[in-house]
Amino acid sequence: QKEVEQNSGPLSVPEGAIASLNCTYSDRVSQSFFWYRQYSGKSPELIMSIYSNGDKEDGRFTAQLNKASQYVSLLIRDSQPSDSATYLCAVNGNRGSTLGRLYFGRGTQLTVWP
Amino acid sequence: ETGVTQSPTHLIKTRGQQVTLRCSSQSGHNTVSWYQQALGQGPQFIFQYYREEENGRGNFPPRFSGLQFPNYSSELNVNALELDDSALYLCATGTGDFYEQYFGPGTRLTVT
Repeated sequence: QKEVEQNSGPLSVPEGAIASLNCTYSDRVSQSFFWYRQYSGKSPELIMSIYSNGDKEDGRFTAQLNKASQYVSLLIRDSQPSDSATYLCAVNGNRGSTLGRLYFGRGTQLTVWP
Repeated sequence: ETGVTQSPTHLIKTRGQQVTLRCSSQSGHNTVSWYQQALGQGPQFIFQYYREEENGRGNFPPRFSGLQFPNYSSELNVNALELDDSALYLCATGTGDFYEQYFGPGTRLTVT
């Protein structure tokens, strides 16, 4: 059973600060990693995908992957109140019948206060 | 917003009843996965369909079943509903590369 663990939160940061969200995963051969944002009462929205070690930047979001440490993170720069949501880390199972299955962490609730 | 749609939006059923949830895939996506999300939890994988065949199943009993149609739309059927089936049911679609998956708005099921 693959496990995905996220820092428990909730996380609260002031507007304009950097929010740092962390995730570890148990299956060393995982290849695809995703961050989803979920507003209260809504469905998850894909905001970042990363497949290779290193950093991937998209606007105010930076995903970081370290496969040796089985660690993936999301940094949100210049945080805005509209970033307040639950952030879900997901790992893609890529062996046998689990190909394409996403394993999710429980999510970290982020609040950005003005 | 993604092009994935789900119906109905909300549903209230009684324990023991049966329910069918529907999902229409985003254009170009031929893979559909269903997830169950309980309150305060991450989504849990139910099963996935690719080319109209089940392609992997999570730890859910056989009373959870599904179909994928030639136009890539899909149904999730749940028989003999239990109180613990109350959750947000999400479908996610993607391409045959099995990488990025995009969620529909979900169906909120309440079992009383």
